[in-house]
Amino acid sequence: DTGVSQDPRHKITKRGQNVTFRCDPISEHNRLYWYRQTLGQGPEFLTYFQNEAQLEKSRLLSDRFSAERPKGSFSTLEIQRTEQGDSAMYLCASSLVASGSDTQYFGPGTRLTVL
Amino acid sequence: AQSVTQPDIHITVSEGASLELRCNYSYGATPYLFWYVQSPGQGLQLLLKYFSGDTLVQGIKGFEAEFKRSQSSFNLRKPSVHWSDAAEYFCAVGASGTASKLTFGTGTRLQVTL
Repeated sequence: DTGVSQDPRHKITKRGQNVTFRCDPISEHNRLYWYRQTLGQGPEFLTYFQNEAQLEKSRLLSDRFSAERPKGSFSTLEIQRTEQGDSAMYLCASSLVASGSDTQYFGPGTRLTVL
Repeated sequence: AQSVTQPDIHITVSEGASLELRCNYSYGATPYLFWYVQSPGQGLQLLLKYFSGDTLVQGIKGFEAEFKRSQSSFNLRKPSVHWSDAAEYFCAVGASGTASKLTFGTGTRLQVTL
C-alpha cells in the first residue's frame, strides 16, 4: 500500500492556459474523490467516481473543469482557460466502499498557482 | 445539507498541556465523523473516525474524540501535546451509508509553545 499519489505537486501557469493533474489512488480502492482547498479554508468537494463512473459533481465544478477515470484506476482533472481564482490546492482521495464505511485517504495535493 | 463548525480558528498550548479542539456538525441522521490533520503544504492524514458503536474513539498519535449526539459535537482531545502536533486540524462529516462526499470545517490551527 503506497498511498494516494498526485502529480505534479506544484504547477504554475499563466491565466488562460490549460492544466491537467493526475491522481493515482490506493490500489483496489474503487472510489476516487477530488477536492479543492483555498488558503485558510477546509477542502471542498468537487466530484467523485466509483470505478469509472462519475457519480456526483459539485456546483463548484464549472464547465471549464473536467475529470475522468477511464479504466477505474487513475484519474485526471483538467482545468481549461485557467483563471486566477482557480489558484488552490487540489486534493485527491480514495476509498474502498464496504458495508457501513467509506474512509477516504488523501494524497499530498497539487498546488496550482495561476499568474 | 450537512455542515461543520470549528469555532476556534487558532489555539496555542504549551507542550505537555492537554488539548481539546471543538467540532459541531449539522446532519439529519447519524453522521460519519472524521478528524484529519494537515501539516503545511501537505495533504490530509486521518487521525480517527466515528461510524457507530462506542462514542469514544481512539486514533493515532494519542488522539481521541467523543461523539455526543445531544450536543451535535465530536471534539478532539489529547492529554499531553507534543511540539510535533503543531498543524491544522480539520473535522469532517459524511452522510451515513455508503454515500460520498465529506464536508469539512474551516480548520483549527494548533500552535505548540515549548
